[in-house]
Amino acid sequence: DTGVSQNPRHKITKRGQNVTFRCDPISEHNRLYWYRQTLGQGPEFLTYFQNEAQLEKSRLLSDRFSAERPKGSFSTLEIQRTEQGDSAMYLCASSLTGAGNTEAFFGQGTRLTVV
Amino acid sequence: QQQVKQSPQSLIVQKGGIPIINCAYENTAFDYFPWYQQFPGKGPALLIAIRPDVSEKKEGRFTISFNKSAKQFSLHIMDSQPGDSATYFCAVGAGSYQLTFGKGTKLSVIP
Repeated sequence: DTGVSQNPRHKITKRGQNVTFRCDPISEHNRLYWYRQTLGQGPEFLTYFQNEAQLEKSRLLSDRFSAERPKGSFSTLEIQRTEQGDSAMYLCASSLTGAGNTEAFFGQGTRLTVV
Repeated sequence: QQQVKQSPQSLIVQKGGIPIINCAYENTAFDYFPWYQQFPGKGPALLIAIRPDVSEKKEGRFTISFNKSAKQFSLHIMDSQPGDSATYFCAVGAGSYQLTFGKGTKLSVIP
């Protein structure tokens, strides 16, 4: 499968616990994005990487959130001390920079439920 | 301030009809306008995208119409089918940068 892969697909956690999600982008894509989507809303940008460098973070990304892309390939998103308001679908997307290459392809997402 | 406004929120059409979904944006710096289709429990899938140097783009049954002066663009689905029932999102972007999405339109195509 050459698409964007996210794991796990579902995660249920107790409030206050830490969770980590993984994203494997399309192999040649150098840009990787994290978005959050709540029920009935469009995806909202959280952060993005070009290769291993994290170039922008949204104000939505509180101090409890951290993302890494250590070797410019897969990425992880960690949420510390989860709150019920963190319950959402976390989406990863990737794209390839270059002339005319702007299409971002999304993974299936990780649905987080904080109880 | 909402950077992209999408309408309608929901839409019901008969099979074979032509649903039209509209989006309006504010920032003239945007130069990339994609539409995504999302089924329940799945990630958004890119349908079709347009750049501001053309006024219309067609791919299969999907057409984007773009009005640069009005800062509006729309998605038309020709000969709609029940399998097209999904939520559709417009988005705006600048270069290969982050996308800002509309709130979505839930389309139901009834047989």
